[in-house]
Amino acid sequence: GESVGLHLPTLSVQEGDNSIINCAYSNSASDYFIWYKQESGKGPQFIIDIRSNMDKRQGQRVTVLLNKTVKHLSLQIAATQPGDSAVYFCAEIPNRDDRIIFGKGTRLHILP
Amino acid sequence: SQTIHQWPATLVQPVGSPLSLECTVEGTSNPNLYWYRQAAGRGLQLLFYSVGIGQISSEVPQNLSASRPQDRQFILSSKKLLLSDSGFYLCAWRQEPTNEKLFFGSGTQLSVL
Repeated sequence: GESVGLHLPTLSVQEGDNSIINCAYSNSASDYFIWYKQESGKGPQFIIDIRSNMDKRQGQRVTVLLNKTVKHLSLQIAATQPGDSAVYFCAEIPNRDDRIIFGKGTRLHILP
Repeated sequence: SQTIHQWPATLVQPVGSPLSLECTVEGTSNPNLYWYRQAAGRGLQLLFYSVGIGQISSEVPQNLSASRPQDRQFILSSKKLLLSDSGFYLCAWRQEPTNEKLFFGSGTQLSVL
């Protein structure tokens, strides 16, 4: 079946720098995408979402970019802080599908 | 506001023993409900989902089963646990069609020994 994949399993970023986490998706029918943050031992928490009719959406310190041409999604975190250390998952939801499939995730490690 | 409850938080079970994990959602009606499993350092694997009472879709054939006896209750079960059933089990819900976001419970860490 189709799934969401991530380019990098681990990303180390200096505190204060910007982080960019990438994600490739394979289902061209997907029209809704979500980024989640999961801290150790906890359930994933919603960060930001984007629909396929948009190519950019901004939140507080986070920005999601969607490139439908190459089926690529990215999460940008501005001024990375120690509290941003976590595993980040992207998820795609195909149109009229109740399943939500997640990729392996990217672990974000903050360097002091 | 809506909340999701999942218990227990941790569970240690011997091989061959039964399993029952429960999840309930409050503050909404007719939610879509999901069970995911996460192996250590890995991604989220969709196990089951339900769009209504008594309606269960299985994504991965295995030693587990799910049931939805009530609108806001989702149960994950096994008759005989295997070592490979160890993992972090997450229940989640979403409200179609008004809200497509998936909201997760706090998870159950299951260790089968």
